[in-house]
Amino acid sequence: ETGVTQTPRHLVMGMTNKKSLKCEQHLGHNAMYWYKQSAKKPLELMFVYNFKEQTENNSVPSRFSPECPNSSHLFLHLHTLQPEDSALYLCASSQLGLAGGVNTGELFFGEGSRLTVL
Amino acid sequence: AQSVTQPDIHITVSEGASLELRCNYSYGATPYLFWYVQSPGQGLQLLLKYFSGDTLVQGIKGFEAEFKRSQSSFNLRKPSVHWSDAAEYFCAVGAEYSSASKIIFGSGTRLSIRP
Repeated sequence: ETGVTQTPRHLVMGMTNKKSLKCEQHLGHNAMYWYKQSAKKPLELMFVYNFKEQTENNSVPSRFSPECPNSSHLFLHLHTLQPEDSALYLCASSQLGLAGGVNTGELFFGEGSRLTVL
Repeated sequence: AQSVTQPDIHITVSEGASLELRCNYSYGATPYLFWYVQSPGQGLQLLLKYFSGDTLVQGIKGFEAEFKRSQSSFNLRKPSVHWSDAAEYFCAVGAEYSSASKIIFGSGTRLSIRP
């Protein structure tokens, strides 16, 4: 098993569809992330989950809805998306230090889900 | 606010030639610095990282990077590139947080290898 697995690898959806992206990490990490990678733009951090609790939402539109049922699984629910939401969505995980401890910040990425919104 | 600049969007080098990819950062304290590589259709893979100590860090695949505080730079180098090194390279800066990992990525440099 690879460290971080994302499904599906490719997704095409219409603007009225509802779909979900799934991420699973097999590294025993306690933090998971969603990043958006668009052409010619830096990676954008969307959501951060720390011990299953959402700790960051970087002004992401509500048509993106994350879910983290446990520290190994992360979902991104998609509904009424726009064509400009077409991008590569990358999931990552890391092992954070305990409260007050050192966080090395090293991220482990999945291979991404390529989303096309028609 | 922290930021990362990769001034070169696209670089082409000949196979066997040396490589240097530039990265400049802006951060108020001592940063954590990373280089990641992304092959086509893949996620990002960590090449190397700098947290403290020796400013010259060695990574995987024969890459190294040098942290220069005075220049706010963390350039990536390889003495002899291989065709398999063709990929997108991202420099990133982070900080020590106990509750989250906020890593800011540069825009990336696409490396092409000339046979």
